[in-house]
Amino acid sequence: SQQGEEDPQALSIQEGENATMNCSYKTSINNLQWYRQNSGRGLVHLILIRSNEREKHSGRLRVTLDTSKKSSSLLITASRAADTASYFCATVLNQAGTALIFGKGTTLSVSS
Amino acid sequence: NAGVMQNPRHLVRRRGQEARLRCSPMKGHSHVYWYRQLPEEGLKFMVYLQKENIIDESGMPKERFSAEFPKEGPSILRIQQVVRGDSAAYFCASSQGQRGNTIYFGEGSWLTVV
Repeated sequence: SQQGEEDPQALSIQEGENATMNCSYKTSINNLQWYRQNSGRGLVHLILIRSNEREKHSGRLRVTLDTSKKSSSLLITASRAADTASYFCATVLNQAGTALIFGKGTTLSVSS
Repeated sequence: NAGVMQNPRHLVRRRGQEARLRCSPMKGHSHVYWYRQLPEEGLKFMVYLQKENIIDESGMPKERFSAEFPKEGPSILRIQQVVRGDSAAYFCASSQGQRGNTIYFGEGSWLTVV
């Protein structure tokens, strides 16, 4: 079953605007990671946030984590056309020997 | 400092043939993961391996699919007697340890079954 679910499924914005993507998950996690995937390419790791952290920043990216609501958000500020990609959240469960479980992703289109 | 290396990048097989996908993890990484991605979908976990051990294969189809990560050499995902439904992108990822570590992905191997 799907652990992470991103929302919205698709998002279209203009360059310079902010983009917010949300992710909800079902069970207790060790950490949550966000990835970007350009069409036809592999996944690029963006940011990892641990279960005891509430917010992390990396350049134009801001990630929040609310473990009480089992949700996370990814904010991209001042978006650029190059940010056009699919964005996935992935969770690592608290059980030993488990791998990243991915959601279906949010497709972001940034037009200039 | 090479990342996760996958080959081949693109593979075409006829129905009934075998497909072998290779993955060399990042230097120093002993944990390897295989994922499958169908068009317009997210990544589905297949198998998680450490050197010479399968840790979790709960996402692997029961038949025709197998994976290994030998003491020496790359991890191999093997698909026997391929069918059209096996056409997908197969991604390998690696990490230093489990759970708290960042997991890095390769560029993927695109399998097309004709």
